[in-house]
Amino acid sequence: QKEVEQDPGPLSVPEGAIVSLNCTYSNSAFQYFMWYRQYSRKGPELLMYTYSSGNKEDGRFTAQVDKSSKYISLFIRDSQPSDSATYLCAISSAKAAGNKLTFGGGTRVLVKP
Amino acid sequence: EAGVTQFPSHSVIEKGQTVTLRCDPISGHDNLYWYRRVMGKEIKFLLHFVKESKQDESGMPNNRFLAERTGGTYSTLKVQPAELEDSGVYFCASSLRGFGMAGELFFGEGSRLTVL
Repeated sequence: QKEVEQDPGPLSVPEGAIVSLNCTYSNSAFQYFMWYRQYSRKGPELLMYTYSSGNKEDGRFTAQVDKSSKYISLFIRDSQPSDSATYLCAISSAKAAGNKLTFGGGTRVLVKP
Repeated sequence: EAGVTQFPSHSVIEKGQTVTLRCDPISGHDNLYWYRRVMGKEIKFLLHFVKESKQDESGMPNNRFLAERTGGTYSTLKVQPAELEDSGVYFCASSLRGFGMAGELFFGEGSRLTVL
């Protein structure tokens, strides 16, 4: 069983729709939760970072963490064609040396104009 | 400010040959990481340098892989001899700190390795 599970998609939505992405994880030692966006042929870039259960908002992006269910989500409001990318969840343990991240496989998102 | 740069962007080699990938981190970042993504799999951690010291190399797949970071600046990852299963994208990342929000990883664009 993978430590972090993520639906690969692709997820196709019309412009302006809400994009809903999620990951599940198995290790309760994971304490830090991140969402990365990766455009084609580029490296991942950090979108959201959180370490507690609950919601965190940043502009059109909302990250949600439920540690009791080991479930994390990312919502993108008012989606734009420029949001078309692969979205990766990444998780690390408080005991991990440095920022050793465990990634999900990524969900490809396509926002159609 | 320049980001993390990686060279080459794409390398095609024959099985059994040697390839060396280079990473230049963001200036001032003591923490440097190598990750890779092989076909159909998730991005996986390879190792972590703090300055020139290997902090964690638990993700290195086998002794055909050698990472160095001389002088605590740029890093190289050598694969010798390369095997077919080494094909994938090798990402380098750097961070100012090794943990927490200040430990945000900045990734390079990756070096794509194709082993024929």
